[in-house]
Amino acid sequence: GENVEQHPSTLSVQEGDSAVIKCTYSDSASNYFPWYKQELGKGPQLIIDIRSNVGEKKDQRIAVTLNKTAKHFSLHITETQPEDSAVYFCASDSWGKLQFGAGTQVVVTP
Amino acid sequence: DADVTQTPRNRITKTGKRIMLECSQTKGHDRMYWYRQDPGLGLRLIYYSFDVKDINKGEISDGYSVSRQAQAKFSLSLESAIPNQTALYFCATSGQGGTGELFFGEGSRLTVL
Repeated sequence: GENVEQHPSTLSVQEGDSAVIKCTYSDSASNYFPWYKQELGKGPQLIIDIRSNVGEKKDQRIAVTLNKTAKHFSLHITETQPEDSAVYFCASDSWGKLQFGAGTQVVVTP
Repeated sequence: DADVTQTPRNRITKTGKRIMLECSQTKGHDRMYWYRQDPGLGLRLIYYSFDVKDINKGEISDGYSVSRQAQAKFSLSLESAIPNQTALYFCATSGQGGTGELFFGEGSRLTVL
């Protein structure tokens, strides 16, 4: 089945700096790659997604890039703010179900 | 009110007890899912249902069962709870028509002593 690896597991960044989280997947048939943000005590929420027909997508301070040949995709957060502190999960689709990475704890320090 | 509601939010039980976690949604979605979250392991799929008459096992279904009572309701049962089922459980829904956004509940934290 699909396997999604996510790195790093924890990431500490200075407020205003950029954060990058990377994921790799194994199923070459995967076509959908969402990113979810989980704040403390809440369920994950979709923040951005990308489909295999594009290489990059941007939404304000967040962007996702996809390299289908290498089977990896990344989340980029620019100008980080305290409210960006959370756990972030990447995922890829496999037969209509999402396979999630292990998560990245992002801490933005003032 | 939340679109996806899970009850109970917290539960402490003992080994061997039967536990049911309930989920209801008001989004009108056909697809419902149960995930388990453990530190360092991400979200792992336990069971999923694409409509009322459809039940499918996920990657970690052993020791769990589910019931889809209606389009809006999907419950997860642990017939005989064991300590390694201590985890945070999430219900989620998504619309029909291919892979799309999952809408998660706020989670049910289960502790098995």
